[in-house]
Amino acid sequence: DVKVTQSSRYLVKRTGEKVFLECVQDMDHENMFWYRQDPGLGLRLIYFSYDVKMKEKGDIPEGYSVSREKKERFSLILESASTNQTSMYLCASSFEGSRVTAKNIQYFGAGTRLSVL
Amino acid sequence: GNSVTQMEGPVTLSEEAFLTINCTYTATGYPSLFWYVQYPGEGLQLLLKATKADDKGSNKGFEATYRKETTSFHLEKGSVQVSDSAVYFCALSKIYNQGGKLIFGQGTELSVKP
Repeated sequence: DVKVTQSSRYLVKRTGEKVFLECVQDMDHENMFWYRQDPGLGLRLIYFSYDVKMKEKGDIPEGYSVSREKKERFSLILESASTNQTSMYLCASSFEGSRVTAKNIQYFGAGTRLSVL
Repeated sequence: GNSVTQMEGPVTLSEEAFLTINCTYTATGYPSLFWYVQYPGEGLQLLLKATKADDKGSNKGFEATYRKETTSFHLEKGSVQVSDSAVYFCALSKIYNQGGKLIFGQGTELSVKP
């Protein structure tokens, strides 16, 4: 089974702190994603990475950065946390291959619920 | 641009009731369509998918048919159980799309009462 592991289920941070959210996948997937999930807004893509050291902005990258130094690990960084970044953060990974349908299936971690006070 | 619209929740049903969750999309070209489910306290997982018009995806008693003429992918189940209580997300992806990026609807919460 594919496993996507997020390092924390719950985090409480203070405004202005630098926050790291870590995600590890064990299936050698090329693609990794960070989303935030808010009620009524669904999932919104923050950043996407299709290879080591490669990244692409999603729909809402402001206030966030990412790091992918190893294929299995994708980190989301909040440089200076603010209260409007209180949310559920979901990491996902997918396979980039020649089979069209396979590469569109994303595997998700359980999420990190971040509260910024 | 591409988008997905789902019916608003929460939806509350009694056990063994019939379920329909509406999903419509806007996209250029021919996207693949997906339903993901999120059980309480968990991440999302794929429920079913369809890659071309008139395809029917099915899994765990759930079904959805890709209707190009109405740009819809409604989720149905004939008899829901308490264990189906979850949030359901409709999503689309372009076929030739590096990285398999998905566009999600806002989610529909389903609560099934015994």
